[in-house]
Amino acid sequence: AQSVTQLGSHVSVSEGALVLLRCNYSSSVPPYLFWYVQYPNQGLQLLLKYTSAATLVKGINGFEAEFKKSETSFHLTKPSAHMSDAAEYFCAVSEGSGGGADGLTFGKGTHLIIQP
Amino acid sequence: EAGVTQFPSHSVIEKGQTVTLRCDPISGHDNLYWYRRVMGKEIKFLLHFVKESKQDESGMPNNRFLAERTGGTYSTLKVQPAELEDSGVYFCASSPPGRSSNSPLHFGNGTRLTVT
Repeated sequence: AQSVTQLGSHVSVSEGALVLLRCNYSSSVPPYLFWYVQYPNQGLQLLLKYTSAATLVKGINGFEAEFKKSETSFHLTKPSAHMSDAAEYFCAVSEGSGGGADGLTFGKGTHLIIQP
Repeated sequence: EAGVTQFPSHSVIEKGQTVTLRCDPISGHDNLYWYRRVMGKEIKFLLHFVKESKQDESGMPNNRFLAERTGGTYSTLKVQPAELEDSGVYFCASSPPGRSSNSPLHFGNGTRLTVT
């Protein structure tokens, strides 16, 4: 069985500040991990994914995440927040590399609020 | 390339009525998924089609929900009769054939269902 915990349903940062969204997972097999973003009135868009090739994963829009097996974490970061980053972010785990064909287990999501 | 499209974007129905949601996946995507997000909760897996066959329907809540994918193209999700707890956002996603780490899920914008 697998699960995902996202700490904080809402995170507020100032424009230009560091963004840190936390994600911890549990999985009975080596996991594949994903971050998705949902902008208002849009579908989920893949930000980045970890599939065991490298522990530090770079995604779109300047985001990156680091897989830490010892901490069972996959936190999402961005050095400098932009107003356009305001959205809801979802961490997800899959037991297969397919993500697609293997399906996903999602966390509850974190709303990122950017203060001007 | 057209993305995953879902119809309608919003639906408001009364308890006991029937609603049918439709999903058109990206052309050529054999894998089609339905997910649901009840307010304040995680996005939960409902079922997975591979072409016209149900690969996994372990997430379907009960027999009031019926999903079909005749011909392996678009899919419908019917709720009959609808109950108050069925309210939420229903997401459809698709991915190319097979299982590949380069084939993430492509999500539609979702259908927001409100049962009153």
